[in-house]
Amino acid sequence: GQNIDQPTEMTATEGAIVQINCTYQTSGFNGLFWYQQHAGEAPTFLSYNVLDGLEEKGRFSSFLSRSKGYSYLLLKELQMKDSASYLCAVRDGDYKLSFGAGTTVTVRA
Amino acid sequence: GAVVSQHPSWVICKSGTSVKIECRSLDFQATTMFWYRQFPKQSLMLMATSNEGSKATYEQGVEKDKFLINHASLTLSTLTVTSAHPEDSSFYICSARSALAGDHNEQFFGPGTRLTVL
Repeated sequence: GQNIDQPTEMTATEGAIVQINCTYQTSGFNGLFWYQQHAGEAPTFLSYNVLDGLEEKGRFSSFLSRSKGYSYLLLKELQMKDSASYLCAVRDGDYKLSFGAGTTVTVRA
Repeated sequence: GAVVSQHPSWVICKSGTSVKIECRSLDFQATTMFWYRQFPKQSLMLMATSNEGSKATYEQGVEKDKFLINHASLTLSTLTVTSAHPEDSSFYICSARSALAGDHNEQFFGPGTRLTVL
């Protein structure tokens, strides 16, 4: 089975940095994804990690440690529009995605 | 590129009726489409995997006779919720995997369909 844990909620100030952690225990691993989802909308792709290390993409970075079953998404220079739910998802060998429950990030002025 | 559409975007129906939701890949061919369900404040749960020209594979606990999936072409998959009940009210999201998948970002999500059963 798949077990993916991430915090339920986080709050940060505009311009600040927030780190969302994700731990996973899965029966297969073929990559870890981070998605952003605004209420009532479909998830949009943010980042992908399959090897250990940090992937940087503008204001967003994602880190993976396969041995620890751990990833984080780092959001820098927070903007109001970054208020959303952030989903950690693990892909197995059959290309199925298992999602965490999501972390709701609220950015305050 | 890589646009996936869903129709309708929202639907309200009476208990006991059936509802069909369409998922289309607009600018690519999708060998595989996935159907997810998301209840309020919960994550996406995979319901089934749909491969073009073959029967869908359902996840444990999902009734295949209640959630009928048809993937008749490389650009269209449909999900029919039969004899819908209020507990089926949810946000249904499809995703499509390109036939040319090689890039890591190979599942593209549709905008979702909000189903409300009265």
